[in-house]
Amino acid sequence: DAGITQSPRYKITETGRQVTLMCHQTWSHSYMFWYRQDLGHGLRLIYYSAAADITDKGEVPDGYVVSRSKTENFPLTLESATRSQTSVYFCASSQGQGASYEQYFGPGTRLTVT
Amino acid sequence: GDSVTQMEGPVTLSEEAFLTINCTYTATGYPSLFWYVQYPGEGLQLLLKATKADDKGSNKGFEATYRKETTSFHLEKGSVQVSDSAVYFCALSLPLSGGSYIPTFGRGTSLIVHP
Repeated sequence: DAGITQSPRYKITETGRQVTLMCHQTWSHSYMFWYRQDLGHGLRLIYYSAAADITDKGEVPDGYVVSRSKTENFPLTLESATRSQTSVYFCASSQGQGASYEQYFGPGTRLTVT
Repeated sequence: GDSVTQMEGPVTLSEEAFLTINCTYTATGYPSLFWYVQYPGEGLQLLLKATKADDKGSNKGFEATYRKETTSFHLEKGSVQVSDSAVYFCALSLPLSGGSYIPTFGRGTSLIVHP
């Protein structure tokens, strides 16, 4: 199906484990983003990518790693998960490089770190 | 830096009531402005947008006007329905030096509509 998908939708992991959240979009959008959503904080940008092989830090990048070898995929890795990374993670994409382009969001991954 | 301020929620209304959710922004330059809606258990989706001053965005009975003089983009709907219960996010987008752009979101306003 066309669109933006995230997997897994739910994940429980233990402190110290590595976990990778997947994001895939079928539109060939140039921009992709990772956000986390926590009560009281709204949406916070973790990393973004303007194109394949181009990534940059957002507001809260510590403890996360991203890569973008293909335009359609933008995985987010927690190298050593901590309880403070328990959150709902959203991936988004945007088609253009202009400020007027809206974002398209995936359904989210709910991550619990025990 | 750039920022978006939304009214605190939750906003609780009865069906068919008039809705206003306030949004003001601080930005250097002329941003594009957006309202996104998040239904329970889902990701955000675009509700409406405006890209220049005095533009009015509208969709599904919601509307918002880009007011440069008051740096505001308030969301309104004349008659809300139970199905409008959701979290609403105001956002702006401005180009950064170097050509990239990063949207800035408000904290979201929860709307609860009772029958």
